Amino acid sequence: EIVLTQSPGTLSLSPGERATLSCRASQSVSSIYFTWYQQKPGQAPRLLIYGASSRPTGIPDRFSGSGSGTDFTLTISRLEPEDFAVYYCQQYGQQYGSSLTFGGGTRVEIK
Amino acid sequence: QVQLVQSGTEVKKPGASVNVSCKASGYTFTNYYMVWVRQAPGQGLEWMGIINPIGGRTTYAQKFQGRVTMTRDTSTSTVYMELSSLRSDDTAVYYCGRTVGYSYGYGMDVWGQGTTVTVSS
Repeated sequence: EIVLTQSPGTLSLSPGERATLSCRASQSVSSIYFTWYQQKPGQAPRLLIYGASSRPTGIPDRFSGSGSGTDFTLTISRLEPEDFAVYYCQQYGQQYGSSLTFGGGTRVEIK
Repeated sequence: QVQLVQSGTEVKKPGASVNVSCKASGYTFTNYYMVWVRQAPGQGLEWMGIINPIGGRTTYAQKFQGRVTMTRDTSTSTVYMELSSLRSDDTAVYYCGRTVGYSYGYGMDVWGQGTTVTVSS
C-alpha cells in the first residue's frame, strides 16, 4: 500500500504570507492521478488541484500544485482569511489493485 | 444544480449494520463514478471504495473488504453504502463524492453533505 506523508502537520502563518505544503509518497505515483483538497470545519472536502497541477474552474490562481514521482507540493501564494483550513493530498494507484489513498493532512492556522 | 444529498444521521449499536444513501441530481448519473470516504472525529479522510454506476462494479479498500457493500439504483440516481458488524471505531462522518469525469484518478469534485454515523451501546 502506498502511504502519503504530509508535512508539516500544522503551519502557522499570517494572512498575506506564502504557504508551502508538502506531500511525500512511499513510492513513485503517477502525477496525473495526484490531487489536493481543502477542508473547513463541518464541511465536505473541496477539490483544489487535480493532475498534480491543474485547477478546477472556480479555484483561485493563488493555489498551485507541483511535483512528480514521490514529492508533491501545494503552494498558496498569498494567504487569504478564507484559506485557513486543513489540506489533504490524495493519489490513485493500481500498484496493489485500484485504490485511493489520502495523506494525513496539514492544518494551516492563523499565526 | 449538481448536487449529492445524503441520508440523515444514524445511531447504531455495535454489531449492527448501517445503510447510507446518496442521491445525485443535476447531471447524468451514469457518466461518473461515486466514491465513499469517511472521517472519524478529529481525524483525516479515509477512502472506503468506489462504484461504477454502469453495471454496479465495485472496488473496496482492503480494510473494509467483507464488511462494506456499495450498490446503486440508476432509476433514482442513488448510490448506497452498507457497512456491517459496526464497531465503536466506525463512528465517523461518511461522505459520497462524485469523481471528476468517468475515471478513478482525477479526484472528486462534488460531495454530499456527509452523514454522521455513531456506534454506541
